[in-house]
Amino acid sequence: GQSLEQPSEVTAVEGAIVQINCTYQTSGFYGLSWYQQHDGGAPTFLSYNALDGLEETGRFSSFLSRSDSYGYLLLQELQMKDSASYFCAVSPYGQNFVFGPGTRLSVLP
Amino acid sequence: GAVVSQHPSWVICKSGTSVKIECRSLDFQATTMFWYRQFPKQSLMLMATSNEGSKATYEQGVEKDKFLINHASLTLSTLTVTSAHPEDSSFYICSARADTEAFFGQGTRLTVV
Repeated sequence: GQSLEQPSEVTAVEGAIVQINCTYQTSGFYGLSWYQQHDGGAPTFLSYNALDGLEETGRFSSFLSRSDSYGYLLLQELQMKDSASYFCAVSPYGQNFVFGPGTRLSVLP
Repeated sequence: GAVVSQHPSWVICKSGTSVKIECRSLDFQATTMFWYRQFPKQSLMLMATSNEGSKATYEQGVEKDKFLINHASLTLSTLTVTSAHPEDSSFYICSARADTEAFFGQGTRLTVV
């Protein structure tokens, strides 16, 4: 089976940098994805790591280390609109995605 | 990116009635779609995998007779919550996979009164 762990909550101030960690246990998977979900909305795709290393997309970066079964999402220059829940997800060798428990990020003024 | 449309976005129904939720892939064909349920402040839990032209695959603990899934075409999957009860009130989200991304419908907030 697959299981993922994330911190339940993170709080930071506008303009700061925050890192959301994700550790996982899975027998095999294609890659690690990150999704953002605002209250009442559907998840939206943020980033995907198929290979070890850092992927950068604007203010967001994501990192994967398969040897450590670990990844993180890095958010820079935080804005109030970044307040949301963030989910890491793995896609086992199949088609569905398994989501972590989610991290609720609160950005304070 | 790919677009998945889900309808309705919210529905209120009386206990004991049935509700149908539609999920459409608008600009790509999806042989497989996924139905998730999300309770407040919790993660997305996979309920079932919908396969075009064949029976859905349900996750352990999900009643297939209560949550009927039909995937009659490559662009449409439906989830029918039969004999709904207040404990079925939740946020239901469908998704379809395109390459390495999962694209989600807007979600349906079901409230059973």
